[in-house]
Amino acid sequence: EAGVAQSPRYKIIEKRQSVAFWCNPISGHATLYWYQQILGQGPKLLIQFQNNGVVDDSQLPKDRFSAERLKGVDSTLKIQPAKLEDSAVYLCASSTHRGKNYGYTFGSGTRLTVV
Amino acid sequence: KQEVTQIPAALSVPEGENLVLNCSFTDSAIYNLQWFRQDPGKGLTSLLLIQSSQREQTSGRLNASLDKSSGRSTLYIAASQPGDSATYLCALWNQAGTALIFGKGTTLSVSS
Repeated sequence: EAGVAQSPRYKIIEKRQSVAFWCNPISGHATLYWYQQILGQGPKLLIQFQNNGVVDDSQLPKDRFSAERLKGVDSTLKIQPAKLEDSAVYLCASSTHRGKNYGYTFGSGTRLTVV
Repeated sequence: KQEVTQIPAALSVPEGENLVLNCSFTDSAIYNLQWFRQDPGKGLTSLLLIQSSQREQTSGRLNASLDKSSGRSTLYIAASQPGDSATYLCALWNQAGTALIFGKGTTLSVSS
């Protein structure tokens, strides 16, 4: 079974630029999550999708962050404009069902450095 | 608001030693608790899941316990090996059972 795919693996941008990350979940997984992990901290949930609908985006900085999941499969997370404090690893995860631990799987993440 | 604390932040031990990683949380009304392993540059790998009605789970050399009344969980690693070197993260499912609340992790280094 293929895992959760994320790209790019690394990205370096200047502050005020825009950037986009892509995630392809495990086939058949209805629920998709984006987490932000700042160096030395645990991951923090940014947004959760159930199929192509948003379930929870309460911790997403909506003035600069946006995310979509077209057709309930792939997802993109965008930051515009980026700030220095956005430097982090952005992790995508997916599961078969909302909640519990039905095949909850993380991707390898995208490491963003904002200079 | 649920908060998760992990102690120690870092730990170095010689190979073969038994060790305990600690996790504490502020709200005992939890859904499930999960321990993850994170290797540098990689995603998170689930190690053990303890449901709220359980007190412990075991997998190989790993044993995780849960005491909701005291707001604590421990991860016990027996006979540590250099391959166990990684960051170990404790996470609680939120009350809706939809997403994870993580601690900052304990970075373990096992020397041969």
